[in-house]
Amino acid sequence: AQKVTQAQTEISVVEKEDVTLDCVYETRDTTYYLFWYKQPPSGELVFLIRRNSFDEQNEISGRYSWNFQKSTSSFNFTITASQVVDSAVYFCALASGGSYIPTFGRGTSLIVHP
Amino acid sequence: EAQVTQNPRYLITVTGKKLTVTCSQNMNHEYMSWYRQDPGLGLRQIYYSMNVEVTDKGDVPEGYKVSRKEKRNFPLILESPSPNQTSLYFCASSLVTGQAQYFGPGTRLTVL
Repeated sequence: AQKVTQAQTEISVVEKEDVTLDCVYETRDTTYYLFWYKQPPSGELVFLIRRNSFDEQNEISGRYSWNFQKSTSSFNFTITASQVVDSAVYFCALASGGSYIPTFGRGTSLIVHP
Repeated sequence: EAQVTQNPRYLITVTGKKLTVTCSQNMNHEYMSWYRQDPGLGLRQIYYSMNVEVTDKGDVPEGYKVSRKEKRNFPLILESPSPNQTSLYFCASSLVTGQAQYFGPGTRLTVL
């Protein structure tokens, strides 16, 4: 069985603050894939990143960065110098089990105040 | 343009009246799936399909049916909708499982 926990239901920050969204996963498999998706207020779901279990390198894309740590089964997402446009619900997902059918966490709602 | 389309985008119906939500992708993806999104519960998978004529239940399949007769289409059927199926529904596709998914714009369904 696979499981994703996003313990932070809602985070509220002021613009320009850094913010980290936590994602903890559970799987017995050694091969798996982790994802982050963004759902802005307009409602669509947008893919942000995919990592496989053999690549623990952190990734940076502009103000976004991801910290993958197998030792703690975490795949955390940090937004540096947050902006109002970052306000959204962010979902973490895990695909493992051989069939790699994804399971989503419950999402973290990020509110960035001007 | 690569996309997943869903229709209708909004639907209000009454209990027991059969309905179909269509989903189509133009990316030749093998994997397609349906999710429902409810407040506090995140995205829960209803059904998925790994290829034509291959479908399987997700986490919350009760009350739903699907079919995959063509690679591009994956309709969601509610034979006898009930109020607890009021939700926001998303269709998604990916090249194969384990790859990033492309999501449709969502269908907001209200069952009275």
